[in-house]
Amino acid sequence: QSALTQPPSASGSPGQSVTISCTGTSSDVGAYNYVSWYQHHPGKAPKLMVYGVTERPSGVPDRFSGSKSGNTASLTVSGLQAEDEADYYCNSYAGDNTVVFGGGTKLTVL
Amino acid sequence: VQLVESGGGVVQPGGSLRLSCTTSGFTFSNYGMHWVRQGPGKGLEWVAFRSHHYYADSVKGRFTMTRDNSRNTVYLQMNSLTPEDTAVYYCAKEDFGGYGVFASWGQGTLVTVSS
Repeated sequence: QSALTQPPSASGSPGQSVTISCTGTSSDVGAYNYVSWYQHHPGKAPKLMVYGVTERPSGVPDRFSGSKSGNTASLTVSGLQAEDEADYYCNSYAGDNTVVFGGGTKLTVL
Repeated sequence: VQLVESGGGVVQPGGSLRLSCTTSGFTFSNYGMHWVRQGPGKGLEWVAFRSHHYYADSVKGRFTMTRDNSRNTVYLQMNSLTPEDTAVYYCAKEDFGGYGVFASWGQGTLVTVSS
């Protein structure tokens, strides 16, 4: 159960796009299309932004999109807005009813 | 959908604590429930799913998750606590087919393990 690898930080100016990576192994990210992404503002409950690698829950702007290639999943935030500044976490199903999270990426809107 | 955690507090190393997560707004028995924690300055860490069988290696043998469908509540019994267990503990509800998709979260309850 090793944590997925995310860059500690990412940044972009309003209106730009930024992509956050999430690297796992052939036992988790690479094995299943069950990667989710969460937005977490400190002191608040995390919010599901993307699930099943590419799906968005209703109410999540289409500026948020997910993808996966091999053992690496990615979250792209297009048209950055000030309110997008938050911590972002990926997670993946890892088999045998276990889940693994990434270490988190702090997204700064410059 | 509402999830409300309770039971957090300060406990000495080696001590025990039981967290509760009371839910409403959905048919509780139809959904998987998990516990996730976030230590100070750390990322999210999955802790437990359902009951009895599925735990992170870091808590296996010390934590036990149970659920009471009649009370729409899940519990996390935490024994042999260490300072590394200090964290905000969240309960989370699965959705969209499960497999680690946490669609709803509580606000969390803080557990501090310190002498």
